[in-house]
Amino acid sequence: GQSLEQPSEVTAVEGAIVQINCTYQTSGFYGLSWYQQHDGGAPTFLSYNALDGLEETGRFSSFLSRSDSYGYLLLQELQMKDSASYFCAVRDRGLGGSQGNLIFGKGTKLSVKP
Amino acid sequence: EPEVTQTPSHQVTQMGQEVILRCVPISNHLYFYWYRQILGQKVEFLVSFYNNEISEKSEIFDDQFSVERPDGSNFTLKIRSTKLEDSAMYFCASSFYSGSHNEQFFGPGTRLTVL
Repeated sequence: GQSLEQPSEVTAVEGAIVQINCTYQTSGFYGLSWYQQHDGGAPTFLSYNALDGLEETGRFSSFLSRSDSYGYLLLQELQMKDSASYFCAVRDRGLGGSQGNLIFGKGTKLSVKP
Repeated sequence: EPEVTQTPSHQVTQMGQEVILRCVPISNHLYFYWYRQILGQKVEFLVSFYNNEISEKSEIFDDQFSVERPDGSNFTLKIRSTKLEDSAMYFCASSFYSGSHNEQFFGPGTRLTVL
């Protein structure tokens, strides 16, 4: 089975940098994704790492270390609108080679204060 | 920008009743999914669908649940006899690929309340 661990809550101030860690245990590994979810909203895709290293997309970066089964999401120049829940997710290896369904972590609630 | 749509946004039903949640995936996407999220908890996979059949389903997706793609655009989730514990937000998602990078696009969700 799959399991993912991430902190339940993080608080930071506007303009700061915050790192949200995720460790995972999987029977097969097909990449680590990050999704953002505002209260009452749908999860939206932020990033995906299949290989070790850092992927940068604007203010957000995501890192993966497959040997450590570890990744993180880095948010820079925090803005109030970044207050949301952030989920790491891995894909399950399904029957017949299907690799579509995402297994989500419990999410990290980020609160950005002025 | 294309998006996944879901109807209704909120459904209230009595325990034991059947409900059908509807989704219109992004038009050129090939893979479709249903997830649920109980209030304050994580998003949980229910089922994936490709080429008019179920690809994978989770333990949650028992005989009470069924999915259908009745035409070229709609993708539905039916809960045959709702239970109180089915109260949750149900998200439909779609993706073009099911390979190494299958960004899934989520709809806005249907909040199901079972009384």
